[in-house]
Amino acid sequence: AQSVTQLDSQVPVFEEAPVELRCNYSSSVSVYLFWYVQYPNQGLQLLLKYLSGSTLVESINGFEAEFNKSQTSFHLRKPSVHISDTAEYFCAVTPGGTSYGKLTFGQGTILTVHP
Amino acid sequence: DTEVTQTPKHLVMGMTNKKSLKCEQHMGHRAMYWYKQKAKKPPELMFVYSYEKLSINESVPSRFSPECPNSSLLNLHLHALQPEDSALYLCASSLIGATAYEQYFGPGTRLTVT
Repeated sequence: AQSVTQLDSQVPVFEEAPVELRCNYSSSVSVYLFWYVQYPNQGLQLLLKYLSGSTLVESINGFEAEFNKSQTSFHLRKPSVHISDTAEYFCAVTPGGTSYGKLTFGQGTILTVHP
Repeated sequence: DTEVTQTPKHLVMGMTNKKSLKCEQHMGHRAMYWYKQKAKKPPELMFVYSYEKLSINESVPSRFSPECPNSSLLNLHLHALQPEDSALYLCASSLIGATAYEQYFGPGTRLTVT
């Protein structure tokens, strides 16, 4: 079984400041990792994913995350946030060796960007 | 087209009603999912269909009945629901293949049971 811990339930930051949203996971098998973003009253949008290859993955809107196997972490970072980044962010894992199946989500981190 | 659509957007139903939620995708995905999301909580998996067959049922009560009539369509039939079933119901889809693929989510149906 897998579990995901998002260490901060809420992260307030000022516009143009850097931000890090922390995610740690636990699994007895290899995993694939994802970050999803949910804006108020909307569904989830995939922000970025780690399946294999380079441990640093980037999204088109400036977010990046680094897979650290030894620390079982997949922290999300952005060097300069915008008001429009205000949303809830979910880290999720699915076990490796399966091509589809159960996503296990963390509890979510609400990012609030203040002007 | 990377869109998953869900109808209706909002649904209010009484405990004796029967209603259905609909989900559609045209991305050629052969895995489709139903999730339930309560307020301020992460989504929780309910059902997974692969190649139009039910492959995972996360011990969901029988008052929720999924159906996958074809590779593009996923329904969730609701009957005799309880107020605690009020939540956002999310549909998702993904490819099936040799490795894991990301799931694409729809906007959800917000269900209120009165």
